[in-house]
Amino acid sequence: DAGITQSPRHKVTETGTPVTLRCHQTENHRYMYWYRQDPGHGLRLIHYSYGVKDTDKGEVSDGYSVSRSKTEDFLLTLESATSSQTSVYFCAISDWAVSSYEQYFGPGTRLTVT
Amino acid sequence: AQSVTQLGSHVSVSEGALVLLRCNYSSSVPPYLFWYVQYPNQGLQLLLKYTSAATLVKGINGFEAEFKKSETSFHLTKPSAHMSDAAEYFCAVSDGQAGTALIFGKGTTLSVSS
Repeated sequence: DAGITQSPRHKVTETGTPVTLRCHQTENHRYMYWYRQDPGHGLRLIHYSYGVKDTDKGEVSDGYSVSRSKTEDFLLTLESATSSQTSVYFCAISDWAVSSYEQYFGPGTRLTVT
Repeated sequence: AQSVTQLGSHVSVSEGALVLLRCNYSSSVPPYLFWYVQYPNQGLQLLLKYTSAATLVKGINGFEAEFKKSETSFHLTKPSAHMSDAAEYFCAVSDGQAGTALIFGKGTTLSVSS
């Protein structure tokens, strides 16, 4: 299994509070992604990173920000959590030079906003 | 823009029966196609991938998929279902450019009865 960890694995928070989710990889892969999974929607891209300090928006980026100060860490921040951000969040990594297009996924973080 | 359609949000089969999960894609460029499996409360695991080599792709756990350009399909099959195959399955497409995120279908839940 690819060395990807996510923390926390579960979190319950209140509307309006800031939340930061962490993705850590030990594979030295260049690209990192944050997706959210919701019933009936599959996985949708929030943000991605193509290198340290290089990030870009995905399909559902409103209300989220990201940062990548080191190759191994990719942080997802909900500045002011809303109930619509209740979801399961997955981090993924890839490196075209190594793994030929596929992405490897972390175990996920289940976030509940009350 | 690329998109993926998975026909049938829920498929039920008997143990030992053929498994067929349908995936159709839309892409303006030669696509790279993937099937992932997700077991309850886990991340996504790559089953198999098509990256413009052989059109019949074999994956893990006895699954295979055939890329049919004329039908824009990439259906997943397994000759004989096992109880352990019960999971959610996602089809995904990429344009094959370095760093491009995957576009996922909405998923198909496979149930296997004894």
